[in-house]
Amino acid sequence: EIVLTQSPATLSLSPGERATLSCRASQSVSNYLAWYQQKPGQAPRLLIYDASNRATGIPARFSGSGSGTDFTLTISSLEPEDFAVYYCQQRSTWPPWTFGQGTKVEIK
Amino acid sequence: EVQLVESGGGPVRPGGSLRLSCAASGFTFSSYSMNWVRQAPGKGLEWVSSINRVPSDIYYTDSVKGRFTISRDNAKNSLFLQMNSLRVEDTAVYYCARGTPYSPYDYWGQGTLVTVSS
Repeated sequence: EIVLTQSPATLSLSPGERATLSCRASQSVSNYLAWYQQKPGQAPRLLIYDASNRATGIPARFSGSGSGTDFTLTISSLEPEDFAVYYCQQRSTWPPWTFGQGTKVEIK
Repeated sequence: EVQLVESGGGPVRPGGSLRLSCAASGFTFSSYSMNWVRQAPGKGLEWVSSINRVPSDIYYTDSVKGRFTISRDNAKNSLFLQMNSLRVEDTAVYYCARGTPYSPYDYWGQGTLVTVSS
């Protein structure tokens, strides 16, 4: 089973600041990594797939990078609606399809 | 518009059973693999089970093997999860999500809460 480790657990930032979230895989997942955003009481929403491709309707301030075992989700300038929990997920080796434990981006 | 609507959650005693449903609309249901993902209160996301289009390929996370059964009715655009021998640790919001083994989960339902407690 591939383990995904996200860091930091919590990121405290102000609107307008840049957010950098990390996801590290226990073995290579090539570029088969996705990022999801989840707000309280809501279902997750797909942001990025295949490491760097924005999903339909996702603003350009969200970008993904990386390959192999190290991945980054960057939010270039935080908007108020971006404060949420972010999860990475791999689909390289399955089952199981595994998720990271999440990074909470909170308002400083 | 793609919509996934789960139902069937609720309170249940340990050892009990529940059947979750997911009604799909806005896309050709029979063309997509479908999945169940759960989230325990205050915790992260956990993949539970997947079923392909036919269905010929079915997968479960180890902790539910032998207790949960995923199925689908393509004629009724519906996905199901039969949950037997429920345990306290199965308490979670259960989401259905569209996605193949080779693609991300691009659409999710709003979730249905299953509470296993004595």
